[in-house]
Amino acid sequence: DSGVTQTPKHLITATGQRVTLRCSPRSGDLSVYWYQQSLDQGLQFLIQYYNGEERAKGNILERFSAQQFPDLHSELNLSSLELGDSALYFCASSLAAGGYTGELFFGEGSRLTVL
Amino acid sequence: QQQVKQSPQSLIVQKGGISIINCAYENTAFDYFPWYQQFPGKGPALLIAIRPDVSEKKEGRFTISFNKSAKQFSLHIMDSQPGDSATYFCAASTGGYQKVTFGTGTKLQVIP
Repeated sequence: DSGVTQTPKHLITATGQRVTLRCSPRSGDLSVYWYQQSLDQGLQFLIQYYNGEERAKGNILERFSAQQFPDLHSELNLSSLELGDSALYFCASSLAAGGYTGELFFGEGSRLTVL
Repeated sequence: QQQVKQSPQSLIVQKGGISIINCAYENTAFDYFPWYQQFPGKGPALLIAIRPDVSEKKEGRFTISFNKSAKQFSLHIMDSQPGDSATYFCAASTGGYQKVTFGTGTKLQVIP
């Protein structure tokens, strides 16, 4: 168990809809990362937050947005969903720069299916 | 410049054999090179990692070889076992706020 909690584990929705994925990082971790993994694909970096602030942005679509709250949990919002958004979405957390070990701790992912 | 190139995409190895996965990078600012292991239905988990001041790191059956001048690093799995069947990702990151770049993954199948 990595200590990172993601909900929901599975989500089935229709095209055009909006969903929110939630992530609770490991206790004490200030950085949260979101990754997308499509079938048999690698890990595509979406966005990173550090202590509530956006730190890095990857290939995140404009239809997607994220935020990190004061209690450090994070949410990834996906809107106007398309079939191609079907994927496994991972959240990962890590320590702040001051305690940097370089290791990311991944949750078990949220599997989104868009029909 | 932020890419990490990984090969092969898939690999089939017999039990007891050596599995070798290779990665190459361009960004010389990378200072941490981890390998992650992912089983089906699970999130990736750190397997082993190396920093560029050493050329090799070994943990059990897993060894990272690092060639700084060639900007390449590889994972060797000795005495491969069916339980090693998983997808392996190499990655590279810089310090500070830990931007992590992953390779495309290698699906390893170890057959009895």
